[in-house]
Amino acid sequence: AQRVTQPEKLLSVFKGAPVELKCNYSYSGSPELFWYVQYSRQRLQLLLRHISRESIKGFTADLNKGETSFHLKKPFAQEEDSAMYYCALSPNQAGTALIFGKGTTLSVSS
Amino acid sequence: DVKVTQSSRYLVKRTGEKVFLECVQDMDHENMFWYRQDPGLGLRLIYFSYDVKMKEKGDIPEGYSVSREKKERFSLILESASTNQTSMYLCASSSPGQGGSKNIQYFGAGTRLSVL
Repeated sequence: AQRVTQPEKLLSVFKGAPVELKCNYSYSGSPELFWYVQYSRQRLQLLLRHISRESIKGFTADLNKGETSFHLKKPFAQEEDSAMYYCALSPNQAGTALIFGKGTTLSVSS
Repeated sequence: DVKVTQSSRYLVKRTGEKVFLECVQDMDHENMFWYRQDPGLGLRLIYFSYDVKMKEKGDIPEGYSVSREKKERFSLILESASTNQTSMYLCASSSPGQGGSKNIQYFGAGTRLSVL
């Protein structure tokens, strides 16, 4: 079955601490993976995608096909990173929808 | 800049009412989606459409229907609203074509529906 798992509902860290938001997926083909973010009172928006291999707002994510993971990392958390983060998978087939995890709330405090 | 507009930010309806949630996108996207967002449950797909007049059931279609008569507009209909449909509803659109924006979903601001 196609599935995206985010094991943590809530992750609380102090400002300046490293952050890792976990994402594991179950899919037999070659998926495309995304991280979406929703800041307070803002719409859900794309943070990054694995094919771009770029760093956005200091966040990076590497697709590990062996471990079927796509963890989101940032070396030094900032208070403005506090938000809800969703990992999502695209089956890369026409006429299909993204499969979202249940989300992780990141809380960064000073 | 892609724009997905949902007609209402907040709606309050009574049990049994027929409710229409409207969504319009301005990027000529083929795909459009309706989700509901609930704490602890994440985003759950209700319906999606990959072309005009085409629709596919998502994970939780019961109690909902959709309409897509024009490419830019995708409507979610609650035939007879119930209290368990109180939620945040998100509309999204995407293009399955080639290029940098392939498969990226763009979201509306959401409609918070309360059914009393």
